[in-house]
Amino acid sequence: EPEVTQTPSHQVTQMGQEVILRCVPISNHLYFYWYRQILGQKVEFLVSFYNNEISEKSEIFDDQFSVERPDGSNFTLKIRSTKLEDSAMYFCASTGLETQYFGPGTRLLVL
Amino acid sequence: AQSVSQHNHHVILSEAASLELGCNYSYGGTVNLFWYVQYPGQHLQLLLKYFSGDPLVKGIKGFEAEFIKSKFSFNLRKPSVQWSDTAEYFCAVILGRGGGNKLTFGTGTQLKVEL
Repeated sequence: EPEVTQTPSHQVTQMGQEVILRCVPISNHLYFYWYRQILGQKVEFLVSFYNNEISEKSEIFDDQFSVERPDGSNFTLKIRSTKLEDSAMYFCASTGLETQYFGPGTRLLVL
Repeated sequence: AQSVSQHNHHVILSEAASLELGCNYSYGGTVNLFWYVQYPGQHLQLLLKYFSGDPLVKGIKGFEAEFIKSKFSFNLRKPSVQWSDTAEYFCAVILGRGGGNKLTFGTGTQLKVEL
């Protein structure tokens, strides 16, 4: 069964550093998403992406965040200058139409 | 603002007990409803979903959920839980129709099943 994959599984970085989180969505899916879950809190929507552009973004997704689909398979989330409060589990998801399938997540720790 | 509420944050049950987890949403329009499960150390997996039709939907692993439109609810049930059901359960909603809409999650319910 096809699945969403994410790399790395864990990332530790220093405050102010740039990080890139990578995702490979399910191959025939059209919509791609990033969500995050701060420890002990609920899963929050960050951004959705369709047809090579952002279709919706949340208040969390400020100028420090960007997304890109650099080739036909990868979907990346970049945080330009990480802050302590960016520490969270970041989930990628994709969908063909209505049901979103999630990757295993990247646990980001900002020190 | 639209929101999803899960009333039980932590639930502890013995094996074979029945389970019901509450979920309510605040949105007057069309919704698609989901329950996801996150087993320890694993990613979010879809348990079941409701788009339209029969309001009683059956999912994997013996779970079911009932959509009650008048109560804005989508409660998850299982008649007899197992130790392996220990996990965190998330109710989620997509507002409106059409592809690409975001999921809005509830805060999650941590279920612990004791032997």
